[in-house]
Amino acid sequence: ETGVTQSPTHLIKTRGQQVTLRCSSQSGHNTVSWYQQALGQGPQFIFQYYREEENGRGNFPPRFSGLQFPNYSSELNVNALELDDSALYLCASRRPGQGSTDTQYFGPGTRLTVL
Amino acid sequence: GQQLNQSPQSMFIQEGEDVSMNCTSSSIFNTWLWYKQDPGEGPVLLIALYKAGELTSNGRLTAQFGTTRKDSFLNISASIPSDVGIYFCAGLGDTGNQFYFGTGTSLTVIP
Repeated sequence: ETGVTQSPTHLIKTRGQQVTLRCSSQSGHNTVSWYQQALGQGPQFIFQYYREEENGRGNFPPRFSGLQFPNYSSELNVNALELDDSALYLCASRRPGQGSTDTQYFGPGTRLTVL
Repeated sequence: GQQLNQSPQSMFIQEGEDVSMNCTSSSIFNTWLWYKQDPGEGPVLLIALYKAGELTSNGRLTAQFGTTRKDSFLNISASIPSDVGIYFCAGLGDTGNQFYFGTGTSLTVIP
């Protein structure tokens, strides 16, 4: 148990629709990252939020957006869904620090299927 | 983005054998993490490394932070069937804002 939860576990949408995925961080972790993992590949970094601000972004278009709330929980929003957006979406909570404190723990993921 | 190369891509071993896998990068990293992922689930953190040359163990698992800071190694001793899964390395980039993931090593343990 990592203490990171995600909802929903599975979701089916059609092309062009919008989707919101949710994540609750591990207690004490003020940083949340979102990843997209296509079948057979490693997780790809979408973006990271720290104290409710985006402070890092991977190579994803603006239709991928996010929010972080004062309790450090987070949302990932994807607009105008495309077939290639079908993937496992992973949330990871982190407490950045110096030395041996910087670790990242993943939630169980949300499986998104776009038809 | 930065690409981490993991090798081997897949391994088929007999139960009881030892396993070695590695991860290399063209860039220097300050933190290396090793994860195991089962199908349809999120990656589970196995070992974290923070200093060049550091060697850290977690039960039958041992990982090392390469001295060049561009590579890391994971060893599993006396493999058992529950070791089956995909192992990923992840390195923390210079900005400290992004972990880059490797391509994964798929491990199959034959009883």
